[in-house]
Amino acid sequence: NAGVTQTPKFQVLKTGQSMTLQCAQDMNHEYMSWYRQDPGMGLRLIHYSVGAGITDQGEVPNGYNVSRSTTEDFPLRLLSAAPSQTSVYFCASSYRGLYTGELFFGEGSRLTVL
Amino acid sequence: AQRVTQPEKLLSVFKGAPVELKCNYSYSGSPELFWYVQYSRQRLQLLLRHISRESIKGFTADLNKGETSFHLKKPFAQEEDSAMYYCALRQERNYGGSQGNLIFGKGTKLSVKP
Repeated sequence: NAGVTQTPKFQVLKTGQSMTLQCAQDMNHEYMSWYRQDPGMGLRLIHYSVGAGITDQGEVPNGYNVSRSTTEDFPLRLLSAAPSQTSVYFCASSYRGLYTGELFFGEGSRLTVL
Repeated sequence: AQRVTQPEKLLSVFKGAPVELKCNYSYSGSPELFWYVQYSRQRLQLLLRHISRESIKGFTADLNKGETSFHLKKPFAQEEDSAMYYCALRQERNYGGSQGNLIFGKGTKLSVKP
């Protein structure tokens, strides 16, 4: 099993550009989420999903969209990138709706917005 | 408000010395707490959860409801313990049928010197 796979690993954008961070998991996990990691801020939840067709906002959702059309995939879309969105983004999934509290993380995607 | 506080950004100890990574939380109900670890060039992963009362890699953490703390301890630090450590708290459930999301602290970087 590959676990949680994120692409791309690195990306540089200009202000105003849009892009999609891809996340896929092969563990048949119901729960998936996106976090951003910033120095001195820790991990903050952007959006999450408890199953296909169900998404909800986390702590810092502004400027991001998500969808969950399949169990495996949970893409994160930046509609109009801003320098404040420069960060490392982590996708994470969990079995049975985060029942155990164990999140399985991807390797991260480092995004720089100029 | 539900909150996790890790007061130390950086903790530096010598090999063989005891280590304690502090975590305090704010939560009105019965908390569920976790420690996650991110080693260099590895994925963020679960280290331990308070409900399991387990010792992983020599680390233990005891929930102290009176002091609202969940400090991570190890009697004799090893160089391979050097990593970023995050304390996490499960939010109250706000979605029928699902467990609450995890709120992470800002993290403490542990450096174990030879």
